[in-house]
Amino acid sequence: DTGVSQDPRHKITKRGQNVTFRCDPISEHNRLYWYRQTLGQGPEFLTYFQNEAQLEKSRLLSDRFSAERPKGSFSTLEIQRTEQGDSAMYLCASSLVPGTGELFFGEGSRLTVL
Amino acid sequence: DAKTTQPPSMDCAEGRAANLPCNHSTISGNEYVYWYRQIHSQGPQYIIHGLKNNETNEMASLIITEDRKSSTLILPHATLRDTAVYYCIVRVAGYSGGGADGLTFGKGTHLIIQP
Repeated sequence: DTGVSQDPRHKITKRGQNVTFRCDPISEHNRLYWYRQTLGQGPEFLTYFQNEAQLEKSRLLSDRFSAERPKGSFSTLEIQRTEQGDSAMYLCASSLVPGTGELFFGEGSRLTVL
Repeated sequence: DAKTTQPPSMDCAEGRAANLPCNHSTISGNEYVYWYRQIHSQGPQYIIHGLKNNETNEMASLIITEDRKSSTLILPHATLRDTAVYYCIVRVAGYSGGGADGLTFGKGTHLIIQP
C-alpha cells in the first residue's frame, strides 16, 4: 500500500501522560499536514510542513503540542500532559506542490484520554 | 479561503442520482471548488475539483454555475457505500505552493443512501 499511513490507529491514555503519533506520507510528497477532528465536526487544520520545515501552525496547536518532520519524510505529533479535551481523531495528509492541490489523507489516529 | 454553505443532511435512494448542493457566494476568481467525502471512521477522500468548467471523473460530476457562486456534486448511481459526509471546500489550488494550502472543512452534508 503506497498511501498515507498512521500509527497507532488507536491510543487510550490517562490524563497527564504524553502520547506520540507517527505519519508516513506518500513517498514523493513534499507537504505534510496534521488535522484534528472531534465528533460531529469537520477536520480542523493544526500544522503543515514543506519538506522538513514547519511553515504554519494553527492557534489550535497549544504549546503542549509539537510536530516534527526531521528528514522531510515521516512526521511525528507529540501531545504532552494530555487533557480530556485532547480526545479526538488526529489525521495526517500529504500532497505534492506544485500540483493539483489534492490532499491524500491517512486513516487517522484516534486518541482517548481518560 | 471562502466559506461554503451545505445542507446538514440528505437522503437518496440507492441507484438514483445524488445531487449535493454547495453555496460559495464569496468565492474569489482564483479559488477552485473541491469536494471530499469521509466515510465513517476513515480519513477524508478526494472526489473532484474544478474552477469554472463542469468536471467529470470516475466517481462524480461537478457542475459549477456560471457566476461560480454555487455548485452541485452529482453521484450518478448512488450505492450504499456512498453513505458519507461530503465536504465542499473552496481554495486556491496548490500550483504556486504558497501559503498554508491546507483545506478548511465545514461540517459538510451527511448523505444517507437508502436501500
